[in-house]
Amino acid sequence: SQELEQSPQSLIVQEGKNLTINCTSSKTLYGLYWYKQKYGEGLIFLMMLQKGGEEKSHEKITAKLDEKKQQSSLHITASQPSHAGIYLCGADYTGTASKLTFGTGTRLQVTL
Amino acid sequence: DTAVSQTPKYLVTQMGNDKSIKCEQNLGHDTMYWYKQDSKKFLKIMFSYNNKELIINETVPNRFSPKSPDKAHLNLHINSLELGDSAVYFCASSPVRQGSDEQFFGPGTRLTVL
Repeated sequence: SQELEQSPQSLIVQEGKNLTINCTSSKTLYGLYWYKQKYGEGLIFLMMLQKGGEEKSHEKITAKLDEKKQQSSLHITASQPSHAGIYLCGADYTGTASKLTFGTGTRLQVTL
Repeated sequence: DTAVSQTPKYLVTQMGNDKSIKCEQNLGHDTMYWYKQDSKKFLKIMFSYNNKELIINETVPNRFSPKSPDKAHLNLHINSLELGDSAVYFCASSPVRQGSDEQFFGPGTRLTVL
């Protein structure tokens, strides 16, 4: 089984709807990174969380890390077609960020 | 300005061939990485270099040999290519070895082995 699981694997939402993607770790995280991958392109950094209970927002995307630092959620409010892509969470288990372990990814489609 | 660049973007080759993928970063970062993304979009680290020194080597067949001529470049050479090597390979860089810093990713190289 994977150390880092993401759910759902894929998601189709109507434009304007809210959605949440979850990332669950089998062990405590030093840090949790969220990336977005547009189809056929590289990864774009979204946010990094380190402290238990931490929450960060950027535009319409909010990410939270739970108190136990084993689960993170990414919430998108009022989704837009530009939000479509693959969302990946990356876990830092070493405290150095020199090696990230990535989740399986969530493919998001936003319909008009 | 391109921060992390990879060449080529696409690579189609026959089994048994040897090929290289190049990566360059102009961010002045000390650490560079190679990741492999398989057909299921699972992204896994392969190598990490810090100031031209190998830091991480994650159970990768020795047909894969990274080479870092200087800290701005980390190339990936693959010998005797196999069908299972088909994947998208991403290069990344980050500022420091210690601490939680963002990794900047290149656009990826899609390798197809026939």
